[in-house]
Amino acid sequence: NAGVTQTPKFRVLKTGQSMTLLCAQDMNHEYMYWYRQDPGMGLRLIHYSVGEGTTAKGEVPDGYNVSRLKKQNFLLGLESAAPSQTSVYFCASRQSSGNTIYFGEGSWLTVV
Amino acid sequence: GDSVTQMEGPVTLSEEAFLTINCTYTATGYPSLFWYVQYPGEGLQLLLKATKADDKGSNKGFEATYRKETTSFHLEKGSVQVSDSAVYFCALRLPSYDKVIFGPGTSLSVIP
Repeated sequence: NAGVTQTPKFRVLKTGQSMTLLCAQDMNHEYMYWYRQDPGMGLRLIHYSVGEGTTAKGEVPDGYNVSRLKKQNFLLGLESAAPSQTSVYFCASRQSSGNTIYFGEGSWLTVV
Repeated sequence: GDSVTQMEGPVTLSEEAFLTINCTYTATGYPSLFWYVQYPGEGLQLLLKATKADDKGSNKGFEATYRKETTSFHLEKGSVQVSDSAVYFCALRLPSYDKVIFGPGTSLSVIP
């Protein structure tokens, strides 16, 4: 009964370092999303994917890359972390025909 | 463009008080509407939804009615509890849209 799982849950990076956030879902969902949540700004979509091997930009894609090599996994990469990328990152997924989005528990990232 | 507007928070209420959190939307088409709740340190969970005009979504004592004429989906609860303290997000999705658009969130604190 895992649903959407994100790893790691917490991470501190130095400016310029790179890292990858992993999202895994076991519900066979076609759509997957990466959001960031910042105080006073709600959730903003970074990138999303409508199926294995496909990705698309959201509203704040700069500084991030994504890959969807397997249907169940959606990776979010930061090539050169910046303090402005300090945020809480949420992965989510849904069926292509479904309305409900299922969220992971979040990944807290601090860039110093 | 499509967007969701929510009332500014934070909202502080006494236990058993009546709750209303306003949500209005702008959309080109006929969206499905959602309320998500985020408890401290957790991801977002679907609270309720409505997929067409005049539908009422309800769950855990919360209700919201899809009002097409006023483009609104206000969240209400007759008697709040301390355990309802959380951040509430209004969201929309258009049928032809891959993305879900979230409002900025409204923080609710219920005091005994």
